[in-house]
Amino acid sequence: AQSVSQHNHHVILSEAASLELGCNYSYGGTVNLFWYVQYPGQHLQLLLKYFSGDPLVKGIKGFEAEFIKSKFSFNLRKPSVQWSDTAEYFCAVNARDTGFQKLVFGTGTRLLVSP
Amino acid sequence: DAGVTQSPTHLIKTRGQQVTLRCSPKSGHDTVSWYQQALGQGPQFIFQYYEEEERQRGNFPDRFSGHQFPNYSSELNVNALLLGDSALYLCASSSRGSNQPQHFGDGTRLSIL
Repeated sequence: AQSVSQHNHHVILSEAASLELGCNYSYGGTVNLFWYVQYPGQHLQLLLKYFSGDPLVKGIKGFEAEFIKSKFSFNLRKPSVQWSDTAEYFCAVNARDTGFQKLVFGTGTRLLVSP
Repeated sequence: DAGVTQSPTHLIKTRGQQVTLRCSPKSGHDTVSWYQQALGQGPQFIFQYYEEEERQRGNFPDRFSGHQFPNYSSELNVNALLLGDSALYLCASSSRGSNQPQHFGDGTRLSIL
């Protein structure tokens, strides 16, 4: 069975600070990896995804994530955060060999960016 | 605009009752998945429907059942409600296949008294 660990439950940053949110997964097979974001009062939105190819993937709003297979990690980064990045961030994994998409989510990281 | 629409937005029930939640997928999507998100937790997969059949199921009891209609919309039914069923229920739609990203609705907030 798959599992996802997000190490930081709450992160507080000042505007312009750099961000890195950790995500590790547990699964022996091939996976698709995702970061979703949930802004206050809004639905979950896809931030970026990794299926194959270049392990460094770029998403919306200046976010990027790097897949390190040897570490089973898919950390999210942004060089300079803005107040509007205040949200909850979820890492998710899907086992590709099932043929279906059953997302397994981490518990989420609440990011608060102070102006 | 989420594209995926869920109803109702909020619902209050008492223990032992039954509830039906509804979901309309984004246009062009044929696969619907349901998730339960308890307070302070990430969403947990309940089940997925494709071609009007349950294709995958998470670790949820038989009290949780669903249905998909020919127009791809879906219902989630929960019988014999327990206090622990209080949560945000999310519907996600996608196209068939494991490489298709899921799009989420705003959810239905279910409170059990």
